Order: sequence, then structure tokens, then C-alpha cells
Amino acid sequence: QKEVEQDPGPLSVPEGAIVSLNCTYSNSAFQYFMWYRQYSRKGPELLMYTYSSGNKEDGRFTAQVDKSSKYISLFIRDSQPSDSATYLCAPHTGGFKTIFGAGTRLFVKA
Amino acid sequence: NAGVMQNPRHLVRRRGQEARLRCSPMKGHSHVYWYRQLPEEGLKFMVYLQKENIIDESGMPKERFSAEFPKEGPSILRIQQVVRGDSAAYFCASSLPQGAGSGEQYFGPGTRLTVT
Repeated sequence: QKEVEQDPGPLSVPEGAIVSLNCTYSNSAFQYFMWYRQYSRKGPELLMYTYSSGNKEDGRFTAQVDKSSKYISLFIRDSQPSDSATYLCAPHTGGFKTIFGAGTRLFVKA
Repeated sequence: NAGVMQNPRHLVRRRGQEARLRCSPMKGHSHVYWYRQLPEEGLKFMVYLQKENIIDESGMPKERFSAEFPKEGPSILRIQQVVRGDSAAYFCASSLPQGAGSGEQYFGPGTRLTVT
């Protein structure tokens, strides 16, 4: 079993839709749950992160972690064509090693 | 306030040649990571270094690949005798030391290696 599982998509939605991106993980020692966004032919950039369980909101983005079920979610409200990218979940234990999911490709159609 | 810099951005090598990829971390960051990304795949960890020290190279292929981060100058990922399977995007990231902050990594734009 992979440490982090993420549906690669692609996920195609109309502009304005609510997008739900998800990951599952197996290592209960993960404490930090990062989301990176990667545009085509660019390096990943940190979008947001949460520590332990709970929700965190930043503008149109909400990150959610359920440690009991080892489930990570990223919600995008009022999605825009500029949100079209690959989204990678990336949990880690607080040490140096971050495990990246395979990434979900999102397309938001105008 | 420059971010992580990588060069070259594109590199073409013939089979059997050597590839040298360079990475300069963000100012104030002393830790560097190298990742490989194949088309339509996620980031695969290769190596984690601090200046003059390899901390973890568990993701590095046993042969032909090496990495260094000298006291002065950029980190170098070296691939000797390249083969077509080495064609990929190689990303460098930097961070503060372990335990300082939440461990977020800042990525460079990547070097796209093509082996012909």
C-alpha cells in the first residue's frame, strides 16, 4: 500500500463549481498536511497546510483533515479557469521527509 | 527576494554523456531536496542535503547518480552516462532546517532533461 493515495483525475468542472480534491494516507505519524499546486511545466508551490486534524480556510480554499479516517481534502469554492493545475497532497511527520501524492489534474472550463 | 533557482531550465544530452543540474536555495535556507518527476507522475524524492552533508539519499539510484551541496556555491545533481530513462523533470526545493517551521518546501522551476 502506498503511503499516500490520490486519484490522478483528470477532473473537469465548469467555472464557478465547488471542487473537492482528496487523498488518503496510511502513516498515522503524519502531523502536517500540505497542499501544493503545480501549473503545467512549473515547479510546485505551497498552497496551504493544516496541522493535525481540523479545517483551515484561506479565501476560496479550505483544507480539511480527518485523522481518524486518514483522509485529507481540499475544497475550492467558485472555481476559476486560473485554478486549472495539478494539486498534490503532501503529508509529513514534522521531520524532513514529505511524501507527495501523485497529484490530481484539475481543469476548470470557462 | 529571489526564490529557488535552477539551471539550466532545459538540458539535452546524448546517451552516455554526463548531466549536471544546479540549484541555489532561497536566501536563508540551508537544506536542499532533489525530486524527479516523470510525465503524468508525482514527485519522487531522491536526496536531501544540507551544506557539506548528505542527510538522506534513499531515493537515489545506486549507480550513476550523485549529489552534493558544497559550503560555497549551488547544490549539484550529477547523472553520469545518461540513458533515455533518465529523461524527466528534476526539481530542487529548499527549506529551513528540520523543526524550524512546518517543513514547507519552496520549489524551483525545474530542469527538464532530455536524453537523445
